[in-house]
Amino acid sequence: AQKITQTQPGMFVQEKEAVTLDCTYDTSDQSYGLFWYKQPSSGEMIFLIYQGSYDEQNATEGRYSLNFQKARKSANLVISASQLGDSAMYFCAMREAPSHQAGTALIFGKGTTLSVSS
Amino acid sequence: GAVVSQHPSRVICKSGTSVKIECRSLDFQATTMFWYRQFPKQSLMLMATSNEGSKATYEQGVEKDKFLINHASLTLSTLTVTSAHPEDSSFYICSAGDARYNEQFFGPGTRLTVL
Repeated sequence: AQKITQTQPGMFVQEKEAVTLDCTYDTSDQSYGLFWYKQPSSGEMIFLIYQGSYDEQNATEGRYSLNFQKARKSANLVISASQLGDSAMYFCAMREAPSHQAGTALIFGKGTTLSVSS
Repeated sequence: GAVVSQHPSRVICKSGTSVKIECRSLDFQATTMFWYRQFPKQSLMLMATSNEGSKATYEQGVEKDKFLINHASLTLSTLTVTSAHPEDSSFYICSAGDARYNEQFFGPGTRLTVL
């Protein structure tokens, strides 16, 4: 079974609109971390936002917020006021058992390509 | 945040040659680094976990003798693609974690083309 599921291969949005990118995850660990990364066509991986499994508040970073619904095992990314520069591939990722954070790899979903038009 | 560099950014080689890719943590020490492989418009697939001073841990299906990993210092891991073939053409990207931060930091990636 996939650990991270992103069901939207592509999403299209107009500038200034908000968009939600879906992500569900599967883990039996109580302690885990959830991440969203952006990958533009250049290939670099840009960290956007992090949510720990014990965090009660949804994470927010500027125009990015993470809608964390633990019981449903979902961690959707919300981008408010989309910009042309937001066009990229977006990956949801999970790190299980982050007791030693630096030493545990991330598991990535298949990604969603976001296209923002003017 | 922390910075990870990767070199070269792009390499083209002939079939049968070996290619070495370097991954460096510039402002922190990384006991563990990770190597991923990514095909166009696909996800990042973990190839191996590189541990400083010990053998790398490879994911199922990844050939150890094909993809040699060396992590000789706390700031450098290398991936050598031995006897490269066209099917090894891909985007290779490394990452490392810094205990001060939650996220993993990624190098800019290496685009390998084998002719």
